[in-house]
Amino acid sequence: EAGVAQSPRYKIIEKRQSVAFWCNPISGHATLYWYQQILGQGPKLLIQFQNNGVVDDSQLPKDRFSAERLKGVDSTLKIQPAKLEDSAVYLCASSSPQGISYNSPLHFGNGTRLTVT
Amino acid sequence: SQQGEEDPQALSIQEGENATMNCSYKTSINNLQWYRQNSGRGLVHLILIRSNEREKHSGRLRVTLDTSKKSSSLLITASRAADTASYFCATAPTGNQFYFGTGTSLTVIP
Repeated sequence: EAGVAQSPRYKIIEKRQSVAFWCNPISGHATLYWYQQILGQGPKLLIQFQNNGVVDDSQLPKDRFSAERLKGVDSTLKIQPAKLEDSAVYLCASSSPQGISYNSPLHFGNGTRLTVT
Repeated sequence: SQQGEEDPQALSIQEGENATMNCSYKTSINNLQWYRQNSGRGLVHLILIRSNEREKHSGRLRVTLDTSKKSSSLLITASRAADTASYFCATAPTGNQFYFGTGTSLTVIP
């Protein structure tokens, strides 16, 4: 079984520029998550999709962050414009091969490390 | 914040010793999961314990859950250098929305 794929692996941009991250979840997984992990901290949930619908985006800074999951498969997270405090690792995870499941583990990609200068 | 808190923040032990880390959380949960993260990598699922379970084992891992105290512990027995990583607990208060704690950084000295 192929894992969660993320690209790019690293990205360096200047503040006020825009950036996009891509995620391809495990085939058949209905739920997709984007997490932000600042150095030394735990992952913070940004947005959760169930198929192509948003379940939770309460912690997504919507003035600068946007995300979409086209056709309920892969997903893109965008930041525009970026701020210095956006420097972090952006992790994508997927779960729930049978749809909504309270007891499915998350499968993570290796993340995209973003540095904003 | 719905995130949990792990304790201690950092732990350093000799190979062969046991490592214990704790997680406290704030809200009622459906389940609690533990994950490991090696440097520069994504998180890897270790074990899940449901809210109606008190203890669970998987290989060298033992997890306990006390819902009355809103706390969980992860015990790694006979630690190895390869166990060096950060460990996080994740709680699912509702549905399958997971909130992670602050993590415990474990160093196992060969």
